[in-house]
Amino acid sequence: AQTVTQSQPEMSVQEAETVTLSCTYDTSESDYYLFWYKQPPSRQMILVIRQEAYKQQNATENRFSVNFQKAAKSFSLKISDSQLGDAAMYFCAYRTPYNNNDMRFGAGTRLTVKP
Amino acid sequence: EAQVTQNPRYLITVTGKKLTVTCSQNMNHEYMSWYRQDPGLGLRQIYYSMNVEVTDKGDVPEGYKVSRKEKRNFPLILESPSPNQTSLYFCASSSVAGGIYEQYFGPGTRLTVT
Repeated sequence: AQTVTQSQPEMSVQEAETVTLSCTYDTSESDYYLFWYKQPPSRQMILVIRQEAYKQQNATENRFSVNFQKAAKSFSLKISDSQLGDAAMYFCAYRTPYNNNDMRFGAGTRLTVKP
Repeated sequence: EAQVTQNPRYLITVTGKKLTVTCSQNMNHEYMSWYRQDPGLGLRQIYYSMNVEVTDKGDVPEGYKVSRKEKRNFPLILESPSPNQTSLYFCASSSVAGGIYEQYFGPGTRLTVT
């Protein structure tokens, strides 16, 4: 089974600075989907960004971008110009296209933003 | 508004008292799942459903039951809750229509079993 590893339980960043959250995964599949979800104190799971493995171009969504390294099985999230509202738990997730209900999550990284 | 709803949002119960957490989605999604979230473990899938009357076990199904009698509803049943089922529970739905593969999550249910 695929596994997702987030090696940073906690990270902190100064407001307006840039921070990168790490994620690695283990799979033997060549086609898959990767996601970053944000979970603020409200507990709601919010999709931040997604990446299709067949796309070489890294996905971006405003201040959020990813560094997708397929050969290294790495999928890091970069948050630029960090804002206080970015403080949350961030989960990396992997989904196989062969079983649409099979989504694997990392343990999460708690991001603190310092004013 | 497209959404996944869960009820209740908070629940405190005692060991052995049967409970049901409801989940409903209004997006006509085929796929629905239940997850539990525990510190240091992320989200782990309990059960999933690919359509009406089609359900299967996820990674941690022990102590849980589900049913999918209607496309929009996917309740989670704990027949005899135990303290190790104290957790944060999420219902999620998804569809592959249009190549969209992300899951849409409900607001979560905080369950405490004493």
